[in-house]
Amino acid sequence: DIVMTQAPLSVSVTPGESASISCRSSKSLLHSNGNTYVNWYLQKPGKSPQFLIYRMSNLASGVPDRFSGSGSETDFTLKISKVETEDVGVYYCGHGLEYPLTFGSGTKLEIK
Amino acid sequence: QIQLVQSGPELKKPGESVKISCKASGYTFTDYAMHWVKQAPGKGLKWMGWINTYTGKPTYADDFKGRFVFSLEASASTANLQISNLKNEDTATYFCARGRTTKAYFDYWGQGVMVTVSS
Repeated sequence: DIVMTQAPLSVSVTPGESASISCRSSKSLLHSNGNTYVNWYLQKPGKSPQFLIYRMSNLASGVPDRFSGSGSETDFTLKISKVETEDVGVYYCGHGLEYPLTFGSGTKLEIK
Repeated sequence: QIQLVQSGPELKKPGESVKISCKASGYTFTDYAMHWVKQAPGKGLKWMGWINTYTGKPTYADDFKGRFVFSLEASASTANLQISNLKNEDTATYFCARGRTTKAYFDYWGQGVMVTVSS
């Protein structure tokens, strides 16, 4: 199974500043078709996860462009620029390359 | 608009069974797979498997083979998860999530069903 490792465990950010969350996969998520199959989700407190980014860098519909995804074959970054209070929650990376699908353990974003 | 509406919370005793539902609306049910994700209290997300809503074929992650059954009521655009012989470690919130059959991401999620197993 592909292991997804996230860091840090938690991050505390002042509103208006940027935050970065890292995710590493135990196997390359770059497919021969050129797509890199890593996705990002945000679970706000008490809510179900919501979809943020797919195929490493593509914003889901309705997601503000303050969010961006980047990376290589095994190392990925979610960046949130100009953090807002509504961005608090736990961020998960997950891969979509093959079954079984797996998620990272999550990174909690808090506001200072 | 696209919605996945799940059934309500459940309180069960060890050894009992539970069936939770996920009703889809706002899209053609058979065009997308339905995945199931477990979240134990205070823990992260764990993918349980998926069901092909066109063929009805389920696929289970290794940890969810045996006591877990995915099924459909396709005419009602509903996917179901049944757990038999419940154990304390089944206490969790169970989410349904819409996705593709391959190279999956989950673009819509149900609100989750909290299943509590306690004697």
